[in-house]
Amino acid sequence: DSGVTQTPKHLITATGQRVTLRCSPRSGDLSVYWYQQSLDQGLQFLIQYYNGEERAKGNILERFSAQQFPDLHSELNLSSLELGDSALYFCASRRGGMNTEAFFGQGTRLTVV
Amino acid sequence: SQELEQSPQSLIVQEGKNLTINCTSSKTLYGLYWYKQKYGEGLIFLMMLQKGGEEKSHEKITAKLDEKKQQSSLHITASQPSHAGIYLCGADVGMRFGAGTRLTVKP
Repeated sequence: DSGVTQTPKHLITATGQRVTLRCSPRSGDLSVYWYQQSLDQGLQFLIQYYNGEERAKGNILERFSAQQFPDLHSELNLSSLELGDSALYFCASRRGGMNTEAFFGQGTRLTVV
Repeated sequence: SQELEQSPQSLIVQEGKNLTINCTSSKTLYGLYWYKQKYGEGLIFLMMLQKGGEEKSHEKITAKLDEKKQQSSLHITASQPSHAGIYLCGADVGMRFGAGTRLTVKP
């Protein structure tokens, strides 16, 4: 158990809908990272938050947004879903910035039908 | 942004054989992570390398960081079916990852 909790584990939804994925980082970890992993694709970095503030953006679509709350949990919101958004979504957390170990949650498998 | 290239993309070995996976960075490596992922599951932390020349071992897995070559290698000794999965390297700066190496170990 990495200590990073993601909910829900599985999500099936229709095209055009909106979903929210949740990530609870390990206790004391201030940084949260979100990733998308599609079939046969690598881990694509989406966005990073540090202590409530956005720190870095990767290949995140405008239809997607995220935030980190005062209790440090984070949510990734995906809207106007398309079939191509079907993927595994992971979050990772680490205590600070560089030189700290990073741990991943078990992921949320999103299926858009 | 920093890009990591892993080689080979996939690897099939016979149980008991040794193997090496490489990770090459487009920029200076200040630190590097190695993770293992079983298909469709979460990433398991293997080790983090922070200094050039650093070498770490976890059971039969050894990883080294060569800062000058902007490269890291992961070596598995006497592979077992339990080693099968996808191995990913990730840069400490920016937390970007390579595409992964898919390892199959045949009994």
